[in-house]
Amino acid sequence: NAGVTQTPKFRILKIGQSMTLQCTQDMNHNYMYWYRQDPGMGLKLIYYSVGAGITDKGEVPNGYNVSRSTTEDFPLRLELAAPSQTSVYFCASSYETGGYEQYFGPGTRLTVT
Amino acid sequence: GQNIDQPTEMTATEGAIVQINCTYQTSGFNGLFWYQQHAGEAPTFLSYNVLDGLEEKGRFSSFLSRSKGYSYLLLKELQMKDSASYLCAVVDSNYQLIWGAGTKLIIKP
Repeated sequence: NAGVTQTPKFRILKIGQSMTLQCTQDMNHNYMYWYRQDPGMGLKLIYYSVGAGITDKGEVPNGYNVSRSTTEDFPLRLELAAPSQTSVYFCASSYETGGYEQYFGPGTRLTVT
Repeated sequence: GQNIDQPTEMTATEGAIVQINCTYQTSGFNGLFWYQQHAGEAPTFLSYNVLDGLEEKGRFSSFLSRSKGYSYLLLKELQMKDSASYLCAVVDSNYQLIWGAGTKLIIKP
């Protein structure tokens, strides 16, 4: 099992550019999540999904979009990148919500200049 | 509002014991997680508490008091590889995780 994989590992974007962060899990988990982690701050939930075809906003969804066409994949789309989106992005998955452990991908370090 | 407080940084000596505290005020409570995160890496699961009391897992133990909104992570026989950030996260009434900012633990020989 590869677990949760993310690509790319690093990316530099210019202001106004767009990109998609890829996330795939091979554990047949129902729940998938996108977080951002800024220095000195806790993980912030951007979007989550409870299954294929179902997504919902988290705490900080503005400037991002997601889709979940399959159980395995949960890409995060950044439209019109802004310097405030400079962060480390983590994708995670869990079998269920609540008390179930979340498994994290290795992260994508994004810089917008 | 929802708030989770942890010390920003702690220092301890190899072989010693350290206790990392976490206090929380959240809309509802459905359990508390502790995760470990080494620099530049992803968080990894350490423990989950939903009932009051102490859960022991090897060198690591986690305690919860729901009435006090308080948890701690106890690390014994510290090793250099324990140098990492330790993240406290509470499952709120919507079954979402609310994360603390993390405690950076520095282990000195």
